Amino acid sequence: EPEVTQTPSHQVTQMGQEVILRCVPISNHLYFYWYRQILGQKVEFLVSFYNNEISEKSEIFDDQFSVERPDGSNFTLKIRSTKLEDSAMYFCASSEWASNEKLFFGSGTQLSVL
Amino acid sequence: EDQVTQSPEALRLQEGESSSLNCSYTVSGLRGLFWYRQDPGKGPEFLFTLYSAGEEKEKERLKATLTKKESFLHITAPKPEDSATYLCAVKTGANNLFFGTGTRLTVIP
Repeated sequence: EPEVTQTPSHQVTQMGQEVILRCVPISNHLYFYWYRQILGQKVEFLVSFYNNEISEKSEIFDDQFSVERPDGSNFTLKIRSTKLEDSAMYFCASSEWASNEKLFFGSGTQLSVL
Repeated sequence: EDQVTQSPEALRLQEGESSSLNCSYTVSGLRGLFWYRQDPGKGPEFLFTLYSAGEEKEKERLKATLTKKESFLHITAPKPEDSATYLCAVKTGANNLFFGTGTRLTVIP
Protein backbone atom coordinates (compact mmCIF):
# COMPACT_ATOMS: atom_id res chain seq x y z
CA GLU A 1 0.00 0.00 0.00
CA PRO A 2 1.35 3.47 -0.84
CA GLU A 3 2.57 5.50 2.09
CA VAL A 4 3.84 8.92 3.05
CA THR A 5 7.51 8.83 3.99
CA GLN A 6 9.26 11.33 6.23
CA THR A 7 12.92 11.96 6.88
CA PRO A 8 14.66 12.13 9.22
CA SER A 9 12.77 10.21 11.89
CA HIS A 10 14.60 12.18 14.57
CA GLN A 11 16.23 15.60 14.38
CA VAL A 12 18.13 17.31 17.16
CA THR A 13 19.08 20.94 16.73
CA GLN A 14 20.28 23.92 18.71
CA MET A 15 17.95 26.82 19.39
CA GLY A 16 18.22 29.42 16.64
CA GLN A 17 19.28 26.95 13.98
CA GLU A 18 17.36 26.28 10.78
CA VAL A 19 15.87 22.87 10.15
CA ILE A 20 14.26 21.31 7.12
CA LEU A 21 11.89 18.40 7.52
CA ARG A 22 11.29 16.34 4.42
CA CYS A 23 8.34 14.38 3.18
CA VAL A 24 7.47 12.35 0.13
CA PRO A 25 3.68 12.32 -0.25
CA ILE A 26 1.79 9.59 -2.05
CA SER A 27 2.47 10.03 -5.75
CA ASN A 28 -1.02 10.73 -7.10
CA HIS A 29 -2.08 12.96 -4.22
CA LEU A 30 -2.57 16.65 -4.84
CA TYR A 31 -3.02 18.08 -1.35
CA PHE A 32 -0.29 18.20 1.25
CA TYR A 33 -0.30 19.09 4.92
CA TRP A 34 1.89 19.54 7.94
CA TYR A 35 0.62 18.85 11.43
CA ARG A 36 2.49 18.74 14.70
CA GLN A 37 1.99 17.04 18.04
CA ILE A 38 3.70 18.27 21.16
CA LEU A 39 4.27 15.42 23.60
CA GLY A 40 1.04 14.60 25.42
CA GLN A 41 -1.00 17.14 23.49
CA LYS A 42 -3.35 17.04 20.54
CA VAL A 43 -2.42 16.88 16.89
CA GLU A 44 -2.45 20.47 15.56
CA PHE A 45 -2.83 21.72 12.01
CA LEU A 46 -0.02 23.88 10.64
CA VAL A 47 -0.52 24.33 6.92
CA SER A 48 -2.12 22.93 3.78
CA PHE A 49 -0.63 23.19 0.31
CA TYR A 50 -2.09 22.76 -3.16
CA ASN A 51 -0.95 23.67 -6.63
CA ASN A 52 2.30 25.10 -5.30
CA GLU A 53 0.56 27.46 -2.96
CA ILE A 54 -0.40 27.57 0.68
CA SER A 55 -4.17 27.12 0.80
CA GLU A 56 -4.63 27.50 4.52
CA LYS A 57 -2.45 28.01 7.58
CA SER A 58 -2.94 28.16 11.32
CA GLU A 59 -1.80 30.77 13.82
CA ILE A 60 1.11 28.49 14.69
CA PHE A 61 2.47 28.81 11.15
CA ASP A 62 4.15 32.20 11.55
CA ASP A 63 6.95 33.83 9.56
CA GLN A 64 9.49 31.36 10.96
CA PHE A 65 7.84 28.56 9.01
CA SER A 66 7.78 27.96 5.29
CA VAL A 67 6.83 25.10 2.99
CA GLU A 68 8.03 24.16 -0.42
CA ARG A 69 7.55 21.54 -3.09
CA PRO A 70 11.00 21.73 -4.67
CA ASP A 71 10.36 18.98 -7.21
CA GLY A 72 7.66 16.56 -8.24
CA SER A 73 7.99 14.31 -5.25
CA ASN A 74 9.23 16.13 -2.15
CA PHE A 75 7.39 18.43 0.24
CA THR A 76 9.41 20.26 2.89
CA LEU A 77 8.80 22.22 6.05
CA LYS A 78 11.47 24.74 7.03
CA ILE A 79 11.78 26.36 10.41
CA ARG A 80 14.12 29.31 10.06
CA SER A 81 15.21 29.91 13.63
CA THR A 82 14.10 27.16 15.95
CA LYS A 83 12.80 27.79 19.46
CA LEU A 84 12.55 25.43 22.40
CA GLU A 85 8.77 25.36 21.98
CA ASP A 86 9.13 24.02 18.43
CA SER A 87 10.08 20.65 19.91
CA ALA A 88 7.37 18.27 18.74
CA MET A 89 6.55 15.42 16.41
CA TYR A 90 5.90 16.82 12.96
CA PHE A 91 3.61 14.86 10.68
CA CYS A 92 3.31 15.24 6.95
CA ALA A 93 0.06 14.13 5.33
CA SER A 94 -1.40 14.01 1.88
CA SER A 95 -4.81 13.49 0.36
CA GLU A 96 -6.11 12.83 -3.09
CA TRP A 97 -8.97 15.30 -3.00
CA ALA A 98 -9.69 18.68 -1.50
CA SER A 99 -12.53 17.13 0.46
CA ASN A 100 -9.88 16.04 2.92
CA GLU A 101 -11.87 12.93 3.64
CA LYS A 102 -8.93 10.61 4.04
CA LEU A 103 -5.58 11.96 5.03
CA PHE A 104 -2.61 9.65 4.87
CA PHE A 105 -0.07 10.53 7.53
CA GLY A 106 3.61 9.74 7.62
CA SER A 107 5.31 8.33 10.71
CA GLY A 108 6.59 11.74 11.69
CA THR A 109 9.85 13.51 12.46
CA GLN A 110 10.60 13.99 16.15
CA LEU A 111 12.22 17.42 16.42
CA SER A 112 14.13 18.22 19.60
CA VAL A 113 15.37 21.79 20.06
CA LEU A 114 18.05 22.15 22.73
CA GLU B 1 -14.58 28.72 19.58
CA ASP B 2 -14.56 25.20 18.13
CA GLN B 3 -14.03 22.45 20.68
CA VAL B 4 -13.58 18.70 20.52
CA THR B 5 -13.61 16.72 23.76
CA GLN B 6 -12.91 13.02 23.97
CA SER B 7 -13.70 10.75 26.87
CA PRO B 8 -12.47 8.82 28.64
CA GLU B 9 -8.81 9.83 28.40
CA ALA B 10 -7.79 6.22 28.93
CA LEU B 11 -9.69 2.94 28.89
CA ARG B 12 -8.59 -0.55 29.85
CA LEU B 13 -10.68 -3.46 28.61
CA GLN B 14 -10.42 -7.18 28.89
CA GLU B 15 -10.27 -8.96 25.57
CA GLY B 16 -13.86 -9.44 24.40
CA GLU B 17 -15.26 -6.68 26.65
CA SER B 18 -17.19 -4.29 24.42
CA SER B 19 -17.28 -0.55 25.12
CA SER B 20 -17.70 2.89 23.55
CA LEU B 21 -15.52 5.95 23.20
CA ASN B 22 -17.09 9.38 23.12
CA CYS B 23 -16.30 12.50 21.11
CA SER B 24 -18.37 15.58 21.83
CA TYR B 25 -17.97 18.66 19.69
CA THR B 26 -18.97 22.28 19.58
CA VAL B 27 -18.31 23.74 16.16
CA SER B 28 -19.72 26.54 14.09
CA GLY B 29 -20.46 24.41 11.06
CA LEU B 30 -19.58 20.74 10.90
CA ARG B 31 -18.32 19.59 7.53
CA GLY B 32 -17.27 16.16 8.64
CA LEU B 33 -16.26 14.20 11.72
CA PHE B 34 -13.31 11.87 11.45
CA TRP B 35 -11.98 8.99 13.50
CA TYR B 36 -8.32 8.08 13.35
CA ARG B 37 -6.24 5.46 15.11
CA GLN B 38 -2.73 6.31 16.30
CA ASP B 39 -0.17 3.73 17.39
CA PRO B 40 2.83 4.84 19.51
CA GLY B 41 5.46 6.59 17.42
CA LYS B 42 3.26 6.57 14.31
CA GLY B 43 1.07 9.00 12.46
CA PRO B 44 -2.70 8.84 12.66
CA GLU B 45 -4.39 6.21 10.48
CA PHE B 46 -7.77 7.00 8.95
CA LEU B 47 -10.75 4.96 10.13
CA PHE B 48 -14.05 6.73 9.32
CA THR B 49 -15.70 9.92 8.15
CA LEU B 50 -19.24 10.85 9.19
CA TYR B 51 -21.12 13.78 7.72
CA SER B 52 -24.63 13.91 9.12
CA ALA B 53 -26.54 13.02 12.27
CA GLY B 54 -27.77 9.45 12.19
CA GLU B 55 -24.97 8.23 9.98
CA GLU B 56 -23.14 5.05 10.96
CA LYS B 57 -20.06 3.32 9.57
CA GLU B 58 -18.50 -0.02 10.43
CA LYS B 59 -15.14 -1.66 9.97
CA GLU B 60 -14.41 -5.03 11.54
CA ARG B 61 -14.96 -4.61 15.30
CA LEU B 62 -15.45 -0.84 15.10
CA LYS B 63 -18.63 1.12 14.50
CA ALA B 64 -18.84 4.90 14.46
CA THR B 65 -22.06 6.84 14.97
CA LEU B 66 -22.89 10.53 14.84
CA THR B 67 -25.47 12.77 16.49
CA LYS B 68 -25.76 16.55 16.35
CA LYS B 69 -23.45 16.99 19.31
CA GLU B 70 -21.34 13.88 19.62
CA SER B 71 -19.94 10.79 18.03
CA PHE B 72 -19.35 7.36 19.48
CA LEU B 73 -16.82 4.76 18.49
CA HIS B 74 -18.16 1.39 19.55
CA ILE B 75 -15.69 -1.46 19.92
CA THR B 76 -17.21 -4.92 19.91
CA ALA B 77 -15.27 -7.84 21.40
CA PRO B 78 -11.93 -6.03 21.22
CA LYS B 79 -8.64 -7.83 20.76
CA PRO B 80 -5.19 -6.81 22.05
CA GLU B 81 -4.30 -5.52 18.58
CA ASP B 82 -7.02 -2.90 18.95
CA SER B 83 -4.89 -1.21 21.60
CA ALA B 84 -4.06 2.29 20.36
CA THR B 85 -5.03 5.91 20.83
CA TYR B 86 -8.24 6.77 19.02
CA LEU B 87 -8.50 10.33 17.78
CA CYS B 88 -11.59 12.25 16.83
CA ALA B 89 -11.31 15.27 14.52
CA VAL B 90 -13.74 17.72 12.97
CA LYS B 91 -13.58 19.70 9.78
CA THR B 92 -15.32 23.03 9.96
CA GLY B 93 -13.72 25.07 7.23
CA ALA B 94 -11.50 24.64 4.29
CA ASN B 95 -8.68 22.21 4.57
CA ASN B 96 -7.76 21.57 8.16
CA LEU B 97 -8.79 19.04 10.77
CA PHE B 98 -9.27 20.01 14.43
CA PHE B 99 -8.31 17.07 16.64
CA GLY B 100 -9.32 16.04 20.13
CA THR B 101 -6.75 14.78 22.62
CA GLY B 102 -7.71 11.15 22.06
CA THR B 103 -8.65 8.10 24.09
CA ARG B 104 -5.86 5.69 24.88
CA LEU B 105 -7.29 2.18 24.68
CA THR B 106 -5.56 -0.84 26.19
CA VAL B 107 -7.01 -4.30 25.60
CA ILE B 108 -5.70 -6.92 27.99
CA PRO B 109 -5.49 -10.55 26.83
